[in-house]
Amino acid sequence: GENVEQHPSTLSVQEGDSAVIKCTYSDSASNYFPWYKQELGKRPQLIIDIRSNVGEKKDQRIAVTLNKTAKHFSLHITETQPEDSAVYFCAASTGNTGKLIFGQGTTLQVKP
Amino acid sequence: NAGVTQTPKFQVLKTGQSMTLQCAQDMNHEYMSWYRQDPGMGLRLIHYSVGAGITDQGEVPNGYNVSRSTTEDFPLRLLSAAPSQTSVYFCASSPTGSLNYGYTFGSGTRLTVV
Repeated sequence: GENVEQHPSTLSVQEGDSAVIKCTYSDSASNYFPWYKQELGKRPQLIIDIRSNVGEKKDQRIAVTLNKTAKHFSLHITETQPEDSAVYFCAASTGNTGKLIFGQGTTLQVKP
Repeated sequence: NAGVTQTPKFQVLKTGQSMTLQCAQDMNHEYMSWYRQDPGMGLRLIHYSVGAGITDQGEVPNGYNVSRSTTEDFPLRLLSAAPSQTSVYFCASSPTGSLNYGYTFGSGTRLTVV
């Protein structure tokens, strides 16, 4: 079955710097890759997603890239702010299976 | 819309007890899933469903049962609770088709088994 590996497990940056979180997946049939943000004590919330027919997607300070050949995708956050501090999860899904598998999560700390 | 509603929010069980975690959504979503979240292990898929009457096992199904008799409800049953099932449980739902909108999560149930 699908396996998703996420790195790093923790990331600390200074406010204003960029942050990059990387994920790899095992199932070459995976075609949907969402990213979730989870603040302390809250539920995960979808922040951006990308499909296999697209190489890059941007939404203000957040961007995702996908390399299907290497089976990895990344989350890029520019001009980080303290409110970006949270746990970020990547995930992968295949077609219409309804089965969404998550990575282990990255705890991002943005220091003021 | 209330979104995805989970009850209870907190629960303490004794080892060997059984219980059902409730999950309901009012968005007419076809896809529903149950995840457990443990420190350092991310969100692990327990069971999922692509529609009423259809369920399948996820990554960690042992010790849990599900059924999906209606589109709205997807309860998770713990058959005989064990301390290893202490966790935060999230239910999530997604519109039909190819997961175009990702999953929407409920607020979670924090379960402690003593």
